[in-house]
Amino acid sequence: QKEVEQNSGPLSVPEGAIASLNCTYSDRGSQSFFWYRQYSGKSPELIMSIYSNGDKEDGRFTAQLNKASQYVSLLIRDSQPSDSATYLCAVEINFGNEKLTFGTGTRLTIIP
Amino acid sequence: DAMVIQNPRYQVTQFGKPVTLSCSQTLNHNVMYWYQQKSSQAPKLLFHYYDKDFNNEADTPDNFQSRRPNTSFCFLDIRSPGLGDAAMYLCATSSGTGVYEQYFGPGTRLTVT
Repeated sequence: QKEVEQNSGPLSVPEGAIASLNCTYSDRGSQSFFWYRQYSGKSPELIMSIYSNGDKEDGRFTAQLNKASQYVSLLIRDSQPSDSATYLCAVEINFGNEKLTFGTGTRLTIIP
Repeated sequence: DAMVIQNPRYQVTQFGKPVTLSCSQTLNHNVMYWYQQKSSQAPKLLFHYYDKDFNNEADTPDNFQSRRPNTSFCFLDIRSPGLGDAAMYLCATSSGTGVYEQYFGPGTRLTVT
């Protein structure tokens, strides 16, 4: 089992709809979870961090964390063409070593 | 604005010719990381520094070396680049104070001819 797993997609969503991205992780002791957005040919950009069970909202983005089920998700409301990118889930594995493990990313395309 | 800077943004080198990539940061972060990312793959951690303490990943080839002469700068040296080393090289930083958020520079695209 990979440490951090994401559906590679591509995921296509109509403009204005909700895009839902999912991520599962293997280390039950993980405490910190992040979503990065990466445009083609660019570097990853941190868009959300979440540390506690439940939902965290920031503008059109909502991160959801369920530690019991070991999954974290990202919802994008009112999807815009500019949201078309690859979304990377990153998880702190092995608490205290200052490292993140990244999933391979889900490629999201917003259809105008 | 506080940021992570990488130079050059694009680097072309010949097979076997040593190359150095640089990273600087104005965030005053304790931890600096070097990642290699190939197309459609996750960033792969090569090594990281916590202050001056160097941490090498077990599967990082000996061909890759790093230096951190001070808090602000970190360098990635590829001693004898092979065609398989063509990739995006990403520098990232984190505060090292128990908050694991990492902030990436723009990356250096390395081409090996």
